[in-house]
Amino acid sequence: KAGVTQTPRYLIKTRGQQVTLSCSPISGHRSVSWYQQTPGQGLQFLFEYFSETQRNKGNFPGRFSGRQFSNSRSEMNVSTLELGDSALYLCASSPAGQGSGNTIYFGEGSWLTVV
Amino acid sequence: GENVEQHPSTLSVQEGDSAVIKCTYSDSASNYFPWYKQELGKRPQLIIDIRSNVGEKKDQRIAVTLNKTAKHFSLHITETQPEDSAVYFCAATPWGYSTLTFGKGTMLLVSP
Repeated sequence: KAGVTQTPRYLIKTRGQQVTLSCSPISGHRSVSWYQQTPGQGLQFLFEYFSETQRNKGNFPGRFSGRQFSNSRSEMNVSTLELGDSALYLCASSPAGQGSGNTIYFGEGSWLTVV
Repeated sequence: GENVEQHPSTLSVQEGDSAVIKCTYSDSASNYFPWYKQELGKRPQLIIDIRSNVGEKKDQRIAVTLNKTAKHFSLHITETQPEDSAVYFCAATPWGYSTLTFGKGTMLLVSP
């Protein structure tokens, strides 16, 4: 089985721009969640999607948004980029929804640099 | 919400020694506790996990213990090797949930 695939792997954006990151979960996995990793804050939960619905949301401003498609693929968008948005964005997938046992697998991440 | 504290932030050991990393959590609803290893520039990889109906779990040189009453859990690595050098993260979540609250990480350095 292919793992969690994220694109692009590396990107550089300018302050004020927007960015869209893509994630393809492991085949058969229906839950996709996103995390931001920075040296100062560690791994922080952004949001989780299950069956095309946002099920959980972390404590991030509204500039951070996401969506999930019917094939479970997910995208996240960051608008009006700030320098502090520079981070590794990790996508994670898990096989089932609430009430079931889960193992959560991470993709390689998208390295975003805002200049 | 859940809060996970992890200690120490850095840990240096000699090859062959044991290493112990400790985490505490705040939410009594949490009952699933995975540990991830992240090598430089790579993804976090699950190395072991434990559920709250189990007090200890072992996989070769790695073991995890859980004290649900005290709300803490620990990772034990025996006979450490240089390839164990990485950042280790603990996490907590209610079982069946797909959102993890992570500790800040422990950088483990194993010297030959």
